[in-house]
Amino acid sequence: DAGVIQSPRHEVTEMGQEVTLRCKPISGHDYLFWYRQTMMRGLELLIYFNNNVPIDDSGMPEDRFSAKMPNASFSTLKIQPSEPRDSAVYFCASTGTGQETQYFGPGTRLLVL
Amino acid sequence: SQQGEEDPQALSIQEGENATMNCSYKTSINNLQWYRQNSGRGLVHLILIRSNEREKHSGRLRVTLDTSKKSSSLLITASRAADTASYFCATDISGGFKTIFGAGTRLFVKA
Repeated sequence: DAGVIQSPRHEVTEMGQEVTLRCKPISGHDYLFWYRQTMMRGLELLIYFNNNVPIDDSGMPEDRFSAKMPNASFSTLKIQPSEPRDSAVYFCASTGTGQETQYFGPGTRLLVL
Repeated sequence: SQQGEEDPQALSIQEGENATMNCSYKTSINNLQWYRQNSGRGLVHLILIRSNEREKHSGRLRVTLDTSKKSSSLLITASRAADTASYFCATDISGGFKTIFGAGTRLFVKA
């Protein structure tokens, strides 16, 4: 299995631009998680899906952030408009019903100038 | 505030020594997990201990859980330079998949 795939691995953009991060979970997994990691706040859960449906989005910081999961093999996290304080590493993780561990992707390192 | 808090924040030891990291949490849990993160990489699951377990072993890893004190420890025996990484505890809040990660302990093992 290829594991969780994220793209791009690195993104540099200017303040105000739209940023779209992509994730492909492990095949067969029905839970997908988006996390943000910064030095100041550590690893924060932003949102998670079950069977493509958002279950808990209480960690999404602002309306500028949105996440979708149009099918079982693809999810996006969008930031519009982006701000310098959004600079962080964004991780996607997946797991399956009955499993208790999460499998993380390599992350997308976002820098907003 | 975060559910899990690791202690110490950073730890530097010589290869061959044991490394102990601690984690405290605040609310009831179903289980507690430890993850490792190498620099620039995603987190990798190491070991899970359930709320009704007190100790668990996996290779050179030993995890203990004290639910009365709401704390856990991770012991890495005979450390190697390759163990250099950040280690996070994660708690699964009762009833859901919402996993809360602590701030992590940075371990540096000198060869």
